[in-house]
Formats: sequence, structure tokens, C-alpha cells
Amino acid sequence: DGGITQSPKYLFRKEGQNVTLSCEQNLNHDAMYWYRQDPGQGLRLIYYSQIVNDFQKGDIAEGYSVSREKKESFPLTVTSAQKNPTAFYLCASSGQVGMGNQPQHFGDGTRLSIL
Amino acid sequence: GQNIDQPTEMTATEGAIVQINCTYQTSGFNGLFWYQQHAGEAPTFLSYNVLDGLEEKGRFSSFLSRSKGYSYLLLKELQMKDSASYLCAVSGGSYIPTFGRGTSLIVHP
Repeated sequence: DGGITQSPKYLFRKEGQNVTLSCEQNLNHDAMYWYRQDPGQGLRLIYYSQIVNDFQKGDIAEGYSVSREKKESFPLTVTSAQKNPTAFYLCASSGQVGMGNQPQHFGDGTRLSIL
Repeated sequence: GQNIDQPTEMTATEGAIVQINCTYQTSGFNGLFWYQQHAGEAPTFLSYNVLDGLEEKGRFSSFLSRSKGYSYLLLKELQMKDSASYLCAVSGGSYIPTFGRGTSLIVHP
């Protein structure tokens, strides 16, 4: 079955440490996205990528970095510069940006906590 | 920029009908999505509207009025499993969806 896989499901970070969240999709989707979800805040866009080797900042990119070296993979690094990283992180993909009717498919999320 | 507004929480009775509203202001419009999200799980796609009117899909229907910047999700014959958050997302001029804060629906017996 095609889908989008995030790992790990739970992640703990020490102060000053970088951590990387994995996101892999086998849907052959061009576009991939990272969102952060806090209680009462809805989904806020961190980064998105429309094509391999290209990505754009979203609304809250500070303290995060991404790469898109393969179509299937879009890892997110939470750097030590992100002062409040505790949140639920969701990765999504969609067929193409620029096609308005393409729904997003979401992974099951990674819950990041600070030790 | 975009601004999307939905009620924070709603409650309803099993078997009843509930309407969840979403109002938006956006520069450019390329469609509106509704997603369902159970606690701690991934959002799942429910509906997409780009033209005015009602789209019906089983127990769920979604309505759009572009001139009013307004949409609603209608859930009929409510079941306990419908207790979840419902997310409204608008695709603006950039085609990148912006999400509202979500409406938490509680269905009680």
C-alpha cells in the first residue's frame, strides 16, 4: 500500500541538541510539507518542497532545516536554535503544487519533547 | 496573507446533525479542504470545494460561498466515532494550503 511514513513516533531532545525527523513517501508525489501542531494552534507550515533539490520556507522556518535529495524523502532537522521545539510534527505530501484540487496525505506524526 | 476562522469546540448528540463553519480571507483562491483528525493521529482528507455550492459525500457534505468567504461542513447521523477535530484549509494564490486552528467536535450519547 502506498503511504507516507514518519519516524520515530516519539523523540526526546536534550538542550543544545539537533534532532532529525524522518519522512518517506511512496506515493510518487512531487510536493512534500512539514507542519508543526501545538494545542489550539492548528497546523503551521515550516517548510515545503515542490521538487527534488528545491524547498521553500513556510511561516515558521526559524530554527529548522530541511533537505530534498530524493523525491521520496524530506527529512526535517530541529536545530538548537529552535527555542520551543516541543510539538507534534506532521509531514505531508501531495501530487503537485499548482494543482488546486490535490489533497494532502499525512504521516502519523512525530511527537518531540525536551528533556 | 490569509486568515481562517473556525469555532474552537462544538458538542452534539449521537444521531443528530452538526454544522461546522469556516470563514476565510485570502489573496487568491484555489479551493478549500476539510480534514478530520482524531487525537494524536494524522489528518485525513474529507472534501474539497472550489466552486460555489454543496458537495455531498455520504454522511458528510461541504458547502462553499466564494463571495462570502464561507464554508461549512455538515455531518449527519452523528456517530461517536465522529468525535474528532475538523480542520479547514484554504489553498490561496500560492496553492500552498493554510490551515485554520481546527474545531474539536464532541459527540455524546
